[in-house]
Amino acid sequence: EIVLTQSPGTLSLSPGERATLSCRASQSVTSTFLAWYQQKPGQAPRLLIYGASSRATGIPDRFSGSGSGTDFTLTITRLEPEDFAVYYCQQYGSSPYTFGQGTKLEIK
Amino acid sequence: EVQLVESGGGLVQPGGSLRLSCAASGFTFSNYAMTWARQAPGKGLEWVSSVTSSGSRTDYADSVKGRFTISRDNSKNTLYLQMKSLRGEDTAVYYCAKEDGSGSSYYDYWGQGILVTVSS
Repeated sequence: EIVLTQSPGTLSLSPGERATLSCRASQSVTSTFLAWYQQKPGQAPRLLIYGASSRATGIPDRFSGSGSGTDFTLTITRLEPEDFAVYYCQQYGSSPYTFGQGTKLEIK
Repeated sequence: EVQLVESGGGLVQPGGSLRLSCAASGFTFSNYAMTWARQAPGKGLEWVSSVTSSGSRTDYADSVKGRFTISRDNSKNTLYLQMKSLRGEDTAVYYCAKEDGSGSSYYDYWGQGILVTVSS
C-alpha cells in the first residue's frame, strides 16, 4: 500500500499570499497518477488536479500541481477567501487508492 | 448536470447490515466506473470500493473486504454498497463518486454523502 504523507498539517496564511502544500509518497506513484481535492466543512470533496498537474474543469489557474515519483506539490498563488479549506492528495496508480491525511489551509 | 444522490444511511447496531444506494443522473452511467469512499467524523478520506462500468470487476479496501459488496444496476442508473457485519469503525459519511472515464481512478464528481452510524 502506498502511504501518502501531507505537510504541513495546518498552514496559516493571509488572502493574497501563496500557499505551497506537499504530498510525499512511500513509494513511486505510477505514471504521475496523483490527484488533489479540496474539501470545505460539510461539503463533498472537489477535484482540483489530476495527473499531478492537469487542472480539472472549472478550476481557476491560481491552482497548479507539480511533481513526480514520490514528491508532489499543490501551489495556490494569490489566495482568495474561498480557498481556505482542507486539501487532500490521492494516488490512483495502484490499489488501494490511498489518500493523504490532509492539509488544513486556514486564515491567518 | 451530473448528480449523485446517496440514500440508505442511518443508525445500525454493531454486527448489523445496511445497504447504501447512489442514484446517478446527468451522464451515461453505464459508461463509467464508480467508487465508494468514506470519511469518519473529523478524519480524512478513505477509499472503500470500486466497480467497473459493466460491473464485472470489483475492488475493495482490506478494511471492508469480505463484509461489503459493491454492485450496480445500469438499467436503474444506481450504485449500491451492501454492508454486513458492521463495526464501530465503519461509522462515517459515505460518498459515491464517479470516475473520470479515462481508465484512471480519480473522481470528478462526488455525491453529498450519507451518514452511517454503527452504535448500540
